[in-house]
Amino acid sequence: GEDVEQSLFLSVREGDSSVINCTYTDSSSTYLYWYKQEPGAGLQLLTYIFSNMDMKQDQRLTVLLNKKDKHLSLRIADTQTGDSAIYFCADQNSGNTPLVFGKGTRLSVIA
Amino acid sequence: DSGVTQTPKHLITATGQRVTLRCSPRSGDLSVYWYQQSLDQGLQFLIQYYNGEERAKGNILERFSAQQFPDLHSELNLSSLELGDSALYFCASSVGTGHMNTEAFFGQGTRLTVV
Repeated sequence: GEDVEQSLFLSVREGDSSVINCTYTDSSSTYLYWYKQEPGAGLQLLTYIFSNMDMKQDQRLTVLLNKKDKHLSLRIADTQTGDSAIYFCADQNSGNTPLVFGKGTRLSVIA
Repeated sequence: DSGVTQTPKHLITATGQRVTLRCSPRSGDLSVYWYQQSLDQGLQFLIQYYNGEERAKGNILERFSAQQFPDLHSELNLSSLELGDSALYFCASSVGTGHMNTEAFFGQGTRLTVV
C-alpha cells in the first residue's frame, strides 16, 4: 500500500532554518501537503503543492518536490519558538481521496 | 477555527463499552473523513463518506462503524472498546468535487480514553 515516511524528530536553534523531509511511495500522488499540529490541537494545513510543480514558496515556507525521487521537503526560514509543533507530510491521489499521512516530525525550537 | 466541529472533546469509558463520536463538517463540504491518531501508529485513515455514501475505507476495525446523515454530519461508532482503542479521533471535511484540489479541514479531535 501507499506509505509516507518522515523522520520523527528535529531540533533547531531559533533564527535558523528548519528542513523537514518526507518520502512517499505512491507514484500517482497528485497533491502533497504539509500540516502542522500544535499541542492539544487539530491539524492545520500549512501549504500544499501539486505534483507538476517543483517548488512553492509562501512567506517563510518553501516546499520542494522531487517527483523522480518521491521526496518532499518543507523549509521554514527564521524558525521561531512558535513553530515548535508536529509537522505531517501527506499525499493524495486525487482531489477526493483520503490523505495518507506520515507519522509526523516533532520540531523543537531552542531559544 | 477550521469550521469542523467535533464532539465531545474528551471521552473516558470502560472496556467493552460503546461510544459515538460526532462530526459536523464545514458548511458546503460534502466529504467527511475519519482518522485515528495514536502514538505508535501515527495518523491512520479510517473511513470516508461523500454526500451520505461510503466512499473509501481504510484501516477500520469491524467493531467500528460510521455513517453520514442527510444533513452531512457524521458519526463514528466504536463498540466493544479495548484499551488499545484509546487515541485521538479526528474528523476532516472537504468540498470533495473530485476534479480539483480540495483542501481538507480538520476538527480539534475527540480524545478517547478507554480504562
